[in-house]
Amino acid sequence: GQQVMQIPQYQHVQEGEDFTTYCNSSTTLSNIQWYKQRPGGHPVFLIQLVKSGEVKKQKRLTFQFGEAKKNSSLHITATQTTDVGTYFCAARNAGGTSYGKLTFGQGTILTVHP
Amino acid sequence: NAGVTQTPKFQVLKTGQSMTLQCAQDMNHEYMSWYRQDPGMGLRLIHYSVGAGITDQGEVPNGYNVSRSTTEDFPLRLLSAAPSQTSVYFCASSPGAATYEQYFGPGTRLTVT
Repeated sequence: GQQVMQIPQYQHVQEGEDFTTYCNSSTTLSNIQWYKQRPGGHPVFLIQLVKSGEVKKQKRLTFQFGEAKKNSSLHITATQTTDVGTYFCAARNAGGTSYGKLTFGQGTILTVHP
Repeated sequence: NAGVTQTPKFQVLKTGQSMTLQCAQDMNHEYMSWYRQDPGMGLRLIHYSVGAGITDQGEVPNGYNVSRSTTEDFPLRLLSAAPSQTSVYFCASSPGAATYEQYFGPGTRLTVT
């Protein structure tokens, strides 16, 4: 089945430092979504990328979709304590028969030290 | 709108017991799904439904049953609970399939002893 590998598993930063998490797939993706889960909470949708090479920004967050549509990244500039949580990517294969199946990466747990 | 609701929030079962985790949404979403979350393994898809009367298996369907008799409800049944099913279970819904954002419920934390 489809696998989406996400790295790193953990990231500890000082407040103000930057943070990046990466998702990689061996197959071409139709789209990729990013979610954030606060400790003890549920995943909340952040953004979806669909086009090859797409870059989207939300304030301090920058999302990229690779040219080959096999990888994606989420970059946070100047982290704040409110950024703490687990960040997940989720993707669907392009052209597959698994309509409706969204595969999640393992997630990156971000801790921010004040 | 209440969004996606799940009951119960916490549950402890003994091995071999059966139970149903409830999920309901009031957004008239066609697509609903169940995930389990275990440390270091992300969210794994158990079953999903693209509309009332239609269900399909995800990555880890063994030991679980689902049905979708209405658009609003998508219960998950554990047939004979096992300690390996100790996990946090999330229900999610979206207007369509995987190309739409998913709205997650608050989760059910299940412990099987």
